[in-house]
Amino acid sequence: ETGVTQTPRHLVMGMTNKKSLKCEQHLGHNAMYWYKQSAKKPLELMFVYNFKEQTENNSVPSRFSPECPNSSHLFLHLHTLQPEDSALYLCASSQESGALGNQPQHFGDGTRLSIL
Amino acid sequence: AQSVTQLGSHVSVSEGALVLLRCNYSSSVPPYLFWYVQYPNQGLQLLLKYTSAATLVKGINGFEAEFKKSETSFHLTKPSAHMSDAAEYFCAVSYFGNEKLTFGTGTRLTIIP
Repeated sequence: ETGVTQTPRHLVMGMTNKKSLKCEQHLGHNAMYWYKQSAKKPLELMFVYNFKEQTENNSVPSRFSPECPNSSHLFLHLHTLQPEDSALYLCASSQESGALGNQPQHFGDGTRLSIL
Repeated sequence: AQSVTQLGSHVSVSEGALVLLRCNYSSSVPPYLFWYVQYPNQGLQLLLKYTSAATLVKGINGFEAEFKKSETSFHLTKPSAHMSDAAEYFCAVSYFGNEKLTFGTGTRLTIIP
């Protein structure tokens, strides 16, 4: 089941480029998340959106700019990234954020980002 | 603050042998606990979750986990390993009123033929 779809799957960009990552969920969820997964580090929560409103920004540098136009779509706009930003970026969704706490998150397959 | 610790970043077991992946949690409030699996080039897939009902939780692919409050543990087991179980496994914790998951560092499971 491809409940959460991320595009592109792979992205190579220079440090001066501007690109966007896209996430779409078909599960009827109201909360969406961006995570960064780097080698040998725990998953890092970046942003949380609940009913299209950003509810958490986990001290993410401003070169990452999220956008949530509706509950089904989430974007991550990238500009002037650094080599250490190379990682797998995962999108997830859940029924709602800050409600029961026991609703699992459903993940997409991620975008593998490489910064040259 | 809540956290999880996964003991062993790499675990190898023979095909057909018992799989045991360890997870200990720290939480000041009753936790909700999750196990996720990540296959190469894929996202995380939910294996099972504990949300304060039965302490023995059965998940997909023959995995199960037991919540032990006295030991603050939520270890993942499978009686007989299969080659297709080779993947990375993540334990995560949340709590009532907050869907924010705190993940462990993961355990890479290798199956020896």
